[in-house]
This record gives sequence, structure tokens and C-alpha cells, in this order.
Amino acid sequence: AQTVTQSQPEMSVQEAETVTLSCTYDTSESDYYLFWYKQPPSRQMILVIRQEAYKQQNATENRFSVNFQKAAKSFSLKISDSQLGDAAMYFCAYRSRENYGGSQGNLIFGKGTKLSVKP
Amino acid sequence: NAGVTQTPKFQVLKTGQSMTLQCAQDMNHNSMYWYRQDPGMGLRLIYYSASEGTTDKGEVPNGYNVSRLNKREFSLRLESAAPSQTSVYFCASGSWGTNTIYFGEGSWLTVV
Repeated sequence: AQTVTQSQPEMSVQEAETVTLSCTYDTSESDYYLFWYKQPPSRQMILVIRQEAYKQQNATENRFSVNFQKAAKSFSLKISDSQLGDAAMYFCAYRSRENYGGSQGNLIFGKGTKLSVKP
Repeated sequence: NAGVTQTPKFQVLKTGQSMTLQCAQDMNHNSMYWYRQDPGMGLRLIYYSASEGTTDKGEVPNGYNVSRLNKREFSLRLESAAPSQTSVYFCASGSWGTNTIYFGEGSWLTVV
């Protein structure tokens, strides 16, 4: 079974600075997707960025980028030029690409990292 | 675009009462999911439906039942609510083509 681990329960960053959130995962599959979701106090789950395991190039979305290390099973999120609106819970998640009977494409989540942004 | 819509957004139940959480998606997705979120636990899968007419248990199915009414709708029922079911519930949908799962806004359920 796949697992996702976020080892930083809480992180803090100064406004306009850069912060990196860590995520590691365990899987025996070779093809899969990885995601970072943002959850503000409203509890809405907002997709931040997506990485396909077969692509070596790291995904970027504006101020958000990932460092995907497939061999190390590591998937960290870098937020550049942090803004007050970035304060939220961030969840790393794994999704199998293969249509196994057991999961049918379910997301497996880490426990989250609470990011605070100081003005 | 409505995306994934779930109702109600807030509900208080007494122990032993029953209720149904409704979910509908307008993105023509095959797969639909129900998750619960508890403090410090992330999101955990309760039940999922890979396609219309099929449902399967996830990680924490005890105390719940589901119905995939049609391709758009997937409901979650609590037959006899317990305080341990106090949580935030999320419905989600996705397809292999989109490679992404989309979430509803969540339903806050308190069982007293």
C-alpha cells in the first residue's frame, strides 16, 4: 500500500521570502501522480500543483514549484515570494496512474503542513 | 461552473439519528469519492464509486453507506450517527482523463 509522509506539522515564513514544504512517499508503482493541495481556513481543497511521475521536468505554477526526486521518493513544494494569502494547510497527495481494482484512482494524503506567513 | 456540489454544508445531529449527505458533479466524471477529515489526520477515504452502479469501501467505511444514484450523484448515509463521526466530509470526483480529483466545499457534521 502507498503511504505519504509530511514530516513538518507546522512551518513559518516571512512575507516575500521563500519556503519549502517536504513530502515523501512510498510506492512500488512506477507510474503515478503527485499533488499539492492547499486548504485555507474555509476548508476548501484547492489544487496547487500536479506532477506526473513519468515526466522528469519539475512542475511549476507561477510562484509554486516542486522538486520531484523519483528515486528518493521525494516531492517538495517551494513557494516563492510568499504572500499572506498563502497561509493555509498544505497537503501532499499520491494517486496511482494504473487502474488497480483496489484504489480506482483514490488520492492518498499526508497529514498536512500548516503554513503561517508573517507580515 | 458548479463543479462538485455537496449539501448540507452544516449539520448538527443527535446520537442515533440518521442523515444523508448529498453530492453532485457536473463534470461528467466516472469516479466519485467520499472522504472525512479529522484534526491531524489528513483526509481519509470512506467509500468510492469507480463508475455508475459500483461502490467500494475505502479506509474507514464503518458506520456509513453510499449510493451511486446515477453518474452525477453520490450520496453518503449515516444510519445511526455517533460522536466519533463528527468530522468534515468532502465529496470529490475525477476521471483518468483529467488526472485530477476535484473537491466539493465540505460538509461540517457535528454529532452530540
